Amino acid sequence: DAKTTQPPSMDCAEGRAANLPCNHSTISGNEYVYWYRQIHSQGPQYIIHGLKNNETNEMASLIITEDRKSSTLILPHATLRDTAVYYCIVSLPFGNEKLTFGTGTRLTIIP
Amino acid sequence: DGGITQSPKYLFRKEGQNVTLSCEQNLNHDAMYWYRQDPGQGLRLIYYSQIVNDFQKGDIAEGYSVSREKKESFPLTVTSAQKNPTAFYLCASSGLAGSYEQFFGPGTRLTVL
Repeated sequence: DAKTTQPPSMDCAEGRAANLPCNHSTISGNEYVYWYRQIHSQGPQYIIHGLKNNETNEMASLIITEDRKSSTLILPHATLRDTAVYYCIVSLPFGNEKLTFGTGTRLTIIP
Repeated sequence: DGGITQSPKYLFRKEGQNVTLSCEQNLNHDAMYWYRQDPGQGLRLIYYSQIVNDFQKGDIAEGYSVSREKKESFPLTVTSAQKNPTAFYLCASSGLAGSYEQFFGPGTRLTVL
């Protein structure tokens, strides 16, 4: 599995867009980028995934660079409930693939 | 409601005792997983099972054992051979190809005294 690099922590003001970067320079052609988040002492929650096109759902947007070596998760209007650790994961496109979680980015939303 | 349940939420055991953590899902998922999380760290895969009566070791299987006798159940036993068993244990499940999301349970926090 390709590895990912994320900043250890970020702050964002409530109501602003939170942009979380992720580097995955060794990603292979058939690997997807997944984002999960983990609120303190809970199980991780799936957010979004993508291959090469930008993706958007009700939770977030995912922007993947053309060379696919990096991506950005965007939470358009951050709320206090978005405070969590965000994990960027690269994996094959099957639901039963093993996921390798790094240490993620601890996002703190500031009131 | 469909989902994954783990019990108990908190578990205390004396050193040298085996302990079994429960994981049940009613999502009709074929694949199930056990992860371990230490403070400030990401999740590490212990064991996973893609189908009933079959399972594979993950990255840190030593000192753990599992069984998969039923599709909806995937219990994890932490044996006395596990040197540092105190951790947060998370169970997850997923469908097969075409289902991208892994669903996680609420976790069991195990403390060995």
